[in-house]
Amino acid sequence: QVQLRESGPGLVKPSETLSLTCAISGPSRDGFSWTWIRQPAGKGLEWLGRIYRRGTTSYNPSLRSRLTLSLDMSRNQVSLKMISVTAADTAVYYCVTDILYGDSDSWGLGTRVTVSS
Amino acid sequence: AIQMTQSPSSLSASVGDRVTITCRASQDIKNDLGWYQQIAGKAPKLLIYAASNLRTGVPSRFSGNGSGTDFALTISSLQPEDLATYFCLQDFMVPLSFGGGTKVVV
Repeated sequence: QVQLRESGPGLVKPSETLSLTCAISGPSRDGFSWTWIRQPAGKGLEWLGRIYRRGTTSYNPSLRSRLTLSLDMSRNQVSLKMISVTAADTAVYYCVTDILYGDSDSWGLGTRVTVSS
Repeated sequence: AIQMTQSPSSLSASVGDRVTITCRASQDIKNDLGWYQQIAGKAPKLLIYAASNLRTGVPSRFSGNGSGTDFALTISSLQPEDLATYFCLQDFMVPLSFGGGTKVVV
């Protein structure tokens, strides 16, 4: 099954830009979509957005003005960029391939992001 | 946006109990719903997709049913390893939306 590994800076200052990468590896199908989800400590899950293999994107309206997803299959990675972060963006960020697509649904381990000065 | 109302928010049950968790959608989502299990400190794991389809490798004590607006996840005989938080997720419409979660204490 495909493996996903998120990586990022860990700590970001308020008003700065958060950049995360999801490295895709492993056998089996290449995947047709990659989704980003986040979870503040002790809270529920929030869908951020999705990018398809052909490059089409969809975003949570609450974040659309600040969020950009991109895909670089030559490097087998998906990227997330979020501008103007605040403390409310502090969370564990997960990368998911083929979410809810049966046996292909696969999550990374998540990467913790703290927004603090 | 579609709102997913999940209940209960927590429950305490004994080993061997039958446990049911429900999710109600704010509009008809056909059968575009899945159930996830999240063990503390881990990423969620898909149990059920398309409302009632058991993912390969998931124990048969887990089952899902429902369509339209009302859905349920049932654990037929609770096991100690089922201690976790369970979430529903709809993918009928963007933005996808999760239920608030049900914490199961064994």
